[in-house]
Amino acid sequence: EVQLVETGGGLIQPGGSLRLSCAASGFTVSSNYMSWVRQAPGKGLEWVSVIYSGGSTYYADSVKGRFTISRDNSKNTLYLQMNSLRAEDTAVYYCARGVIAGPTLAFDIWGQGTMVTVSS
Amino acid sequence: DIQLTQSPSFLSASVGDRVTITCRASQGISSYLAWYQQKPGKAPKLLIYAASTLQSGVPSRFSGSGSGTEFTLTISSLQPEDFATYYCQQLNIFGPGTKVDIK
Repeated sequence: EVQLVETGGGLIQPGGSLRLSCAASGFTVSSNYMSWVRQAPGKGLEWVSVIYSGGSTYYADSVKGRFTISRDNSKNTLYLQMNSLRAEDTAVYYCARGVIAGPTLAFDIWGQGTMVTVSS
Repeated sequence: DIQLTQSPSFLSASVGDRVTITCRASQGISSYLAWYQQKPGKAPKLLIYAASTLQSGVPSRFSGSGSGTEFTLTISSLQPEDFATYYCQQLNIFGPGTKVDIK
């Protein structure tokens, strides 16, 4: 079965660090465009970061310099290292697989999400 | 940067109704648009990509159309399981969402 399972969320104080994991099954993370997307409570979807199959990485301006996306090919797992966390980073974090579907980039597989709460 | 807007932000409808949601891009994006459905507490689900292609397993009552700057998602006959929030997406940009609620 093709699926993504996120872990690592929790309550963290402002300025703290957290690492999210996203374990994939049924497909190979390193062969795909993998992203993190977040959703603040009661808000819409916000793209956070991407790692391409070739290893290039990109970030939303709101997290650039604080978050790092990476992958472990041997574990078929995607990561998001989050440093210098702020209250506005509070959200459910989803990992998602991006596919080129026709001329479109679309996210066809999503994890269940993991909640990150930044609060003192 | 491209921005996506959706209208309406909220709509109230009844089972069996035909529902149309619009997504507008701030500049032309050809047919590079996808639509998602999200239910409370759940991850988004891909419905349509390339503006009008139905993702495998999605009921045929869902359809998409448009190109350039204006796109629509149509549900031909709203079912109880369709009450949810719908988002459009182009690359790393998501629209603000349209919540479809029960009248």
